[in-house]
Amino acid sequence: TQLLEQSPQFLSIQEGENLTVYCNSSSVFSSLQWYRQEPGEGPVLLVTVVTGGEVKKLKRLTFQFGDARKDSSLHITAAQPGDTGLYLCAGAIQDDKIIFGKGTRLHILP
Amino acid sequence: EADIYQTPRYLVIGTGKKITLECSQTMGHDKMYWYQQDPGMELHLIHYSYGVNSTEKGDLSSESTVSRIRTEHFPLTLESARPSHTSQYLCASSELRAPNIDGYTFGSGTRLTVV
Repeated sequence: TQLLEQSPQFLSIQEGENLTVYCNSSSVFSSLQWYRQEPGEGPVLLVTVVTGGEVKKLKRLTFQFGDARKDSSLHITAAQPGDTGLYLCAGAIQDDKIIFGKGTRLHILP
Repeated sequence: EADIYQTPRYLVIGTGKKITLECSQTMGHDKMYWYQQDPGMELHLIHYSYGVNSTEKGDLSSESTVSRIRTEHFPLTLESARPSHTSQYLCASSELRAPNIDGYTFGSGTRLTVV
């Protein structure tokens, strides 16, 4: 069974703090995606990482793909209330087979 | 501005009723998907389609059926709703060649409650 483990499941921090959430698996992925889902909406793609060791930045968000392409992390600098949401990672096993983690529910307190 | 539309957003229905969840996209994507999402659980793929007249079952067993008569439309039907069907249903679409690169575009979902 291919699983994507996301940690922590829940995270509540004060505005302005930094945080890192993780996505781990024993499987190797051809690519890995991060989505953010707000209440009552569908997930929205934030980034895709493809190369082992790749780092991508999206304003205050930094995404890293592990060297072995089995894990990834999302680091948020100076979190803001607008960052609140469910963060999902999704790994591509094959070109069109993608599995999702259970997500990290992030709450930023003003 | 959404490019993929799901209706209804919320539905409360009695056991045994037949229901159809609508999904339409305006991006010309060949691939479309239905996922089921429950609190604290992974998104589970229940149906997908590579194009017109193509439908496949996903990883999660589902009593629902789908059809793909037009590229832009991918409705999901439950012939006889049961309380176990209560869930959030998400429709998504992607380019044919590389959803692993370009990702999915998701609709806003239909929250179904069967009483």
